[in-house]
Amino acid sequence: KQEVTQIPAALSVPEGENLVLNCSFTDSAIYNLQWFRQDPGKGLTSLLLIQSSQREQTSGRLNASLDKSSGRSTLYIAASQPGDSATYLCAKNGNTGKLIFGQGTTLQVKP
Amino acid sequence: EPEVTQTPSHQVTQMGQEVILRCVPISNHLYFYWYRQILGQKVEFLVSFYNNEISEKSEIFDDQFSVERPDGSNFTLKIRSTKLEDSAMYFCASNREGAYEQYFGPGTRLTVT
Repeated sequence: KQEVTQIPAALSVPEGENLVLNCSFTDSAIYNLQWFRQDPGKGLTSLLLIQSSQREQTSGRLNASLDKSSGRSTLYIAASQPGDSATYLCAKNGNTGKLIFGQGTTLQVKP
Repeated sequence: EPEVTQTPSHQVTQMGQEVILRCVPISNHLYFYWYRQILGQKVEFLVSFYNNEISEKSEIFDDQFSVERPDGSNFTLKIRSTKLEDSAMYFCASNREGAYEQYFGPGTRLTVT
């Protein structure tokens, strides 16, 4: 059974700190990996998608990396802001379109 | 910027009733999905749909569930006889041909009483 795990489950940091969220997955047959942000009671906002042939993707203060051989992805957030407070989800696509989600990391950035 | 939209935002229904959740995917997208998220749990895949047929479905997607694209814009999820455990947030998603980034709607919160 394919599994996606995110550590830590929750994280609290002071404003301005750089931070890393972790995502690990079983089964190296990965087509791409997508990172999402979810605000409480809201939908999922796509942040970054990394193809299996890529090692990283960047968007503004966000940088996502992918290491297929170790089954890991990280989301790096630079200079965190209170507005970054949300739950961050990673999801693996194994080439069928179906996304398999981790349970998320809930981030709180304190002013 | 185009968005996936879903209606209603919140649906309350009694156990055993039928519900239809509606989605309007982004207009040039061809691949459509339904996911659900039970409160406090992971987002789970239900079904994918392409070219007017189901591409893949999960074990959750049993005979009580069906999907349809009744016209060129809407994509619906029907639950024939709702159960208490169907209470969840249901998300619709879509992506276009040749691009794999899925875009999600805001969700429909289904409450079965």
